[in-house]
Amino acid sequence: DGGITQSPKYLFRKEGQNVTLSCEQNLNHDAMYWYRQDPGQGLRLIYYSQIVNDFQKGDIAEGYSVSREKKESFPLTVTSAQKNPTAFYLCASSPARYYEQYFGPGTRLTVT
Amino acid sequence: ELKVEQNPLFLSMQEGKNYTIYCNYSTTSDRLYWYRQDPGKSLESLFVLLSNGAVKQEGRLMASLDTKARLSTLHITAAVHDLSATYFCAAEGETSGSRLTFGEGTQLTVNP
Repeated sequence: DGGITQSPKYLFRKEGQNVTLSCEQNLNHDAMYWYRQDPGQGLRLIYYSQIVNDFQKGDIAEGYSVSREKKESFPLTVTSAQKNPTAFYLCASSPARYYEQYFGPGTRLTVT
Repeated sequence: ELKVEQNPLFLSMQEGKNYTIYCNYSTTSDRLYWYRQDPGKSLESLFVLLSNGAVKQEGRLMASLDTKARLSTLHITAAVHDLSATYFCAAEGETSGSRLTFGEGTQLTVNP
């Protein structure tokens, strides 16, 4: 079964702790993306990667970090520097530019 | 900077009626995408519009693209309750690489 998996589905953390969200795809897609969605709003791009070992900042990269050591995996770390980390985080992948992006099921992060 | 605006943001309609959601974007865009999101869920790809004049239809939904007007529309025909969801359009700019810029979304409620 090809697809994108994100884990965990729900994540609770205390303020000041770093947390890493997992994103894995077995679609053999080159490009991967991380978005943040706040209630009642659209998606905002955090980071994206078009090839292994390379990634670029999106519109709201501050307080986040990523790595792309393998084609299948694009983990996102939410650091303690992120001022308001509580949100729904969506990972996506696409075969290449000009192709639609396919989304994972999302991780809902709550920081208290 | 590419900006994407949708209207209306909220739409309540009766079953059997027709309506159109509008998506305007601010700069030249290569591609336009429509996604559907059910409450608490991820995004599902509906349409990919690749060129001026493109029209795609799936069931009761039809999407079109006018690149000269920088406008895409999502037309709903004879709405049914199952179409209740939030609909997002997203544009890919000519110089933005594979980045998508999303609109705020249109929350559609179809009432019996």
